Amino acid sequence: QQQVKQSPQSLIVQKGGIPIINCAYENTAFDYFPWYQQFPGKGPALLIAIRPDVSEKKEGRFTISFNKSAKQFSLHIMDSQPGDSATYFCAASSDRPTTSGTYKYIFGTGTRLKVLA
Amino acid sequence: NAGVTQTPKFQVLKTGQSMTLQCAQDMNHNSMYWYRQDPGMGLRLIYYSASEGTTDKGEVPNGYNVSRLNKREFSLRLESAAPSQTSVYFCASRAKLTTDTQYFGPGTRLTVL
Repeated sequence: QQQVKQSPQSLIVQKGGIPIINCAYENTAFDYFPWYQQFPGKGPALLIAIRPDVSEKKEGRFTISFNKSAKQFSLHIMDSQPGDSATYFCAASSDRPTTSGTYKYIFGTGTRLKVLA
Repeated sequence: NAGVTQTPKFQVLKTGQSMTLQCAQDMNHNSMYWYRQDPGMGLRLIYYSASEGTTDKGEVPNGYNVSRLNKREFSLRLESAAPSQTSVYFCASRAKLTTDTQYFGPGTRLTVL
C-alpha cells in the first residue's frame, strides 16, 4: 500500500511530441504529489507538484493531471525539447507525519525520457 | 548558499571495508534523508532524521548506520561494505512541511568490489 507505481520505464519521443508519464498509488493518506527531474550525474530536482484538491496544474510546458478517484496522476511535457531528456520520478507523501514529526516521500521507479532532435 | 553538499563524489571499496559518506546543508532545514538509487528501483529511503538528535529507519536500513551530528550534517556509515551496497547515494533535506521542497545533493557513486 506504500508503493507508487510508475510507467513506462523508458520513453523516446520526437522533438515537439508530448511524452506522458503515469503514476498510480493505493494509500489514500497520500496528499502531496511532486515530480522530480534528474539529469545524468546530478541529484533529482523538484519540477512540479500537486495536491489532490485540484485536477490539473501547469507550470510552463509541464502539466500534472490528477485523478483522485482512480488514484492516478500523470506528467505531460508539451512541445518537448532535447533538453528535457532526463529521468523523471513521481513521488507521494502522506499528510500524516512520522512519529518523529517529519514527512517521507515514496518515489516511483523512474522513467528515462529521450527527446530526439 | 551551496545547498546540499556530499563527499566524496566517487568511492571504490573492497568487501568488508568501512567508510562514511558525508552530507551537509546550509538551508537551516530540519529534516534530512539518505537514499540509494539503483537501476529500475528508483530512490529508496535508507534513513532519515526529523531534527538534530533523532534518526529513523527507512525502507532499506540494513548494513547502514547514520549520525545527525548537528542541524547541518547527516552522515551515513557502511561498517562492512558488501557488493550489494554498490549504488549511487543521495542525501536530501527539507524544511519541515510535507509541501516543502526536498533538495538533493549531487550524489556519491560507490562501488564495492
